[in-house]
Amino acid sequence: GENVEQHPSTLSVQEGDSAVIKCTYSDSASNYFPWYKQELGKRPQLIIDIRSNVGEKKDQRIAVTLNKTAKHFSLHITETQPEDSAVYFCAASGRGYSSASKIIFGSGTRLSIRP
Amino acid sequence: NAGVTQTPKFRVLKTGQSMTLLCAQDMNHEYMYWYRQDPGMGLRLIHYSVGEGTTAKGEVPDGYNVSRLKKQNFLLGLESAAPSQTSVYFCASRGTGGAYEQYFGPGTRLTVT
Repeated sequence: GENVEQHPSTLSVQEGDSAVIKCTYSDSASNYFPWYKQELGKRPQLIIDIRSNVGEKKDQRIAVTLNKTAKHFSLHITETQPEDSAVYFCAASGRGYSSASKIIFGSGTRLSIRP
Repeated sequence: NAGVTQTPKFRVLKTGQSMTLLCAQDMNHEYMYWYRQDPGMGLRLIHYSVGEGTTAKGEVPDGYNVSRLKKQNFLLGLESAAPSQTSVYFCASRGTGGAYEQYFGPGTRLTVT
């Protein structure tokens, strides 16, 4: 079935360093890959997404790369700051009624930024 | 513009009781979703809807039913609650066409004793 695996489950980095979170997906038909950030007690919020016709996308300190052949994608956060501490979820579109009508989430990465 | 709202915010049920969670959105979105979030397991899709009057099963549909009688509302029902359904439930919605972003509600924390 459809599956998204995410690693690592926890990540601790020094403030100012970079953080990388990696995900793999099983469905070769997936064409949409969002990343969500969830702060403690809050709802998930989209931080960046990428579609299958693009290999890389960047938005200020965050970037996402996609390798469709290998079926994996990664989130890169540079110059980490205390406010980056949160749980991050990757996701991939599944086989639903229409393109990206169904999203399958990874299990999450708890990122901690050390001062 | 309230976005996506959920009712109630918290609820405690005894095993075997029933309840309905309400999700409402005011963004005229076609697609709506119900997820459950358990520690270490991310967000798992329970049921979803691609339009008024339509529903479909997600990854973990057993023990839940849904209805989408009005475009702006998506109801999640538990007919006979079990302790395994203790979780945080999130509703989400998104538009059609190229607008893939899902907007989440604030969540409902449900405890079944």
